[in-house]
Amino acid sequence: DVVLTQTPVSLSVTLGDQASISCRSSQSLEYSDGYTYLEWYLQKPGQSPQLLIYGVSNRFSGVPDRFIGSGSGTDFTLKISRVEPEDLGVYYCFQATHDPFTFGSGTKLEIK
Amino acid sequence: EVQLQESGPGLVKPSQSLSLTCSVTGYSITSNYWGWIRKFPGNKMEWMGYISYSGSTSYNPSLKSRISITRDTSKNQFFLQLNSVTTEDTATYYCARFAGAAGDYWGQGVMVTVSS
Repeated sequence: DVVLTQTPVSLSVTLGDQASISCRSSQSLEYSDGYTYLEWYLQKPGQSPQLLIYGVSNRFSGVPDRFIGSGSGTDFTLKISRVEPEDLGVYYCFQATHDPFTFGSGTKLEIK
Repeated sequence: EVQLQESGPGLVKPSQSLSLTCSVTGYSITSNYWGWIRKFPGNKMEWMGYISYSGSTSYNPSLKSRISITRDTSKNQFFLQLNSVTTEDTATYYCARFAGAAGDYWGQGVMVTVSS
């Protein structure tokens, strides 16, 4: 199975500052069709996961442009500029390139 | 608006079967892919499997001998059955729509405890 290693495990950020989360894959996530099925989800406290980014860098409908996904191959990053209170929760990367699909271990974002 | 709602028992005895229903409104399950995901106590998330618009299925091999995902298109519902459960299957179970492999709509989740 593809292992997605997320770092850091937790992150404490001052409101208005930038946060950065890394997701490293044990295999390249570029599919044979050239697409990279790497997504980012946020699970806010008491809620179900919500899609933030798909295809490495595409923001889902309604996601603020403060959320920026980047990367290729095996290394991916989610940057959150100007962190706001509603950004707290657990962030997961997820790959749907290789069966079985897998999640990263999660990064908990806390507000200082 | 697409909405998904999980339902099923919150307590299952060890060795029995776990059965959950995902009811979908606002979109037909004969389009796209429909998956089950679970979150264990702590943060670990596991993709369990999906059923496609055509009714074909794909399962996580770690569950393959125990899992079955089916559907009832007349009710716009799909189902999860997990056999021979143990305490390690205690988790919150989510159903979700996958469009282009992205889980864009999720249910609110149902917590299932496996305990005698």
